[in-house]
Amino acid sequence: QKEVEQDPGPLSVPEGAIVSLNCTYSNSAFQYFMWYRQYSRKGPELLMYTYSSGNKEDGRFTAQVDKSSKYISLFIRDSQPSDSATYLCAIWGGSNYKLTFGKGTLLTVNP
Amino acid sequence: DVKVTQSSRYLVKRTGEKVFLECVQDMDHENMFWYRQDPGLGLRLIYFSYDVKMKEKGDIPEGYSVSREKKERFSLILESASTNQTSMYLCASSFRGANTGELFFGEGSRLTVL
Repeated sequence: QKEVEQDPGPLSVPEGAIVSLNCTYSNSAFQYFMWYRQYSRKGPELLMYTYSSGNKEDGRFTAQVDKSSKYISLFIRDSQPSDSATYLCAIWGGSNYKLTFGKGTLLTVNP
Repeated sequence: DVKVTQSSRYLVKRTGEKVFLECVQDMDHENMFWYRQDPGLGLRLIYFSYDVKMKEKGDIPEGYSVSREKKERFSLILESASTNQTSMYLCASSFRGANTGELFFGEGSRLTVL
């Protein structure tokens, strides 16, 4: 079983839709759960992260972690064309410097 | 703002050539990383460095080497480029004390090996 699994999509939604992006992971020792956003021909940038379980909200974005089911989600409310990008989940487990990335989901928000 | 600069955005090289990819960061970060990104395979860690002159192998180090002579600079070297090394290469950096795994990425270097 891969350490982090992410549906690659692509996902296409109309402007204003609520978007749900998801990942599952296998190692229960993971502590930090990140979402990176990558625009076309650019490097990834950190969007938000959560520690352990629970929700974190930042504007239109909500990150959610369910450690009991090893499931992480990113919700985008009122999606905008500028949200069109690849979204990568990533998980960091400790002091080995290694982030484990999902393969990314390509999202297109159509005006 | 943290800036991670990769010297070449696009390179075209021939099989067997030696290739240098340079990365410079301006925020005094201890940790630096090289990833490659391929469709369907995602981001894969090639090498990382947590201090000057230190290096550690990542998941796919074969065919690559690295050099970190100065804190701000981390170079990826392809000793003899092959076509299967055609890819997007991403450099990243982070603070040693960053327990969140937050990485700052450069814009990438797209390498084509003919």
